Order: sequence, then C-alpha cells, then structure tokens
Amino acid sequence: AQSVTQLGSHVSVSEGALVLLRCNYSSSVPPYLFWYVQYPNQGLQLLLKYTTGATLVKGINGFEAEFKKSETSFHLTKPSAHMSDAAEYFCAVGTGTYKYIFGTGTRLKVLA
Amino acid sequence: EPEVTQTPSHQVTQMGQEVILRCVPISNHLYFYWYRQILGQKVEFLVSFYNNEISEKSEIFDDQFSVERPDGSNFTLKIRSTKLEDSAMYFCASGGGIFGSPLHFGNGTRLTVT
Repeated sequence: AQSVTQLGSHVSVSEGALVLLRCNYSSSVPPYLFWYVQYPNQGLQLLLKYTTGATLVKGINGFEAEFKKSETSFHLTKPSAHMSDAAEYFCAVGTGTYKYIFGTGTRLKVLA
Repeated sequence: EPEVTQTPSHQVTQMGQEVILRCVPISNHLYFYWYRQILGQKVEFLVSFYNNEISEKSEIFDDQFSVERPDGSNFTLKIRSTKLEDSAMYFCASGGGIFGSPLHFGNGTRLTVT
C-alpha cells in the first residue's frame, strides 16, 4: 500500500532563508508524486508534480522538488522564503488505482 | 483556467439531519473524488467515482455516505444522518484520468454539525 510521511508538522524560517519541507513515500509501484499548497480557508493548489523523466521538478512560486528513488524522498525546496509562502503544504502520492494519498501536512511560518 | 466549484461554502446542520454537498467538476474530467479535512488535520480520502460508479472508498465512507452524479455536470456527496464528528471541510476534486495527472480541488465546503 502507498503512504506518505511528512516530517515536521510545523516549520519556521526567516524571510530570505532556504525552505526545506520533507516528504518520504512508500509505494509498491512507480509513484506519481505531488506537492500541494493550502492557504487559509482555501482549497489545495498544485505546486508541482513528478511523474516520469527528470527527477528535479520545478513548480510555481519558485518551488522545486527532487525525486530520489534510493531515498524514497520528494523534498520540497525554495531558495529564498517570502512572507507570502506562509501556508500549509501537503505531499501526495498517486496510486495505481487513481487514489491519491496525502501526507499530514507541514505548516510553514515565515518570520520577518 | 477551468475550476472545480463547490456549494455551499459553509453548511450548518443539526445532528441527525441529512446534508448534500454539491460540486461541479472540470467538464472534461473523468474521475471525481471527495476528500475531507477535520480542522487542523490531514486531508483524508473518502471516495473516488468513475464511469458512474464508485471505484474506491475508504473505511470512513460508511453507509451514511453516498455519492451521485445526477446529470452531466454535478457531483454530490450526501450524508444521511449527520454526526458531530462529521464536522469538517469537505473537498471535491476531479482528475483527467490520465495516469499521473494531478487532481484539481475546489475551495471546499465547511460542514458544521451542531
């Protein structure tokens, strides 16, 4: 069965600092991996996705993630945090049955 | 860009009452989903729907829940007899059906059961 683990339910970074949000997955089949962002009182917005091909994936708002099969990881990074990045971030894995499993989320706080 | 729309944005109901949450998925999508998020917690899969039938459901999706696509555009989630623990944000999502294509989410319906 597929699963997703997000380490750190809360992450705080200073404005301008590196953002690193961790995601590890478990999948018995080649995974499709996604990062979504949720702003307060809103739905989930796709940041980026990995399906096949290049393992470094670039998304919106300057975010990127690298698929590392050997580490079963798909960590999300951004070189320089902005105040507007404060939100909840969810990692998700797509399964062979079209069901998408979400992690527990990481709330990112950006300090001025 | 096409959007998934959900109505109402907020629904308050009394315990034991029936509620219907409505969604209009993206028109050319084939797969439809309901997820829920209890306040401050993870996004939980409820059910997926394809070709006018449930393709998969979670253990949360018991006999009190049902889904329907009554016409070519709407996708509904019905809770027959609401419980306090059904209070959550309910998200509808749709997907194009191509393996690996992302889900597109609506802004959710906040259900409050009193």
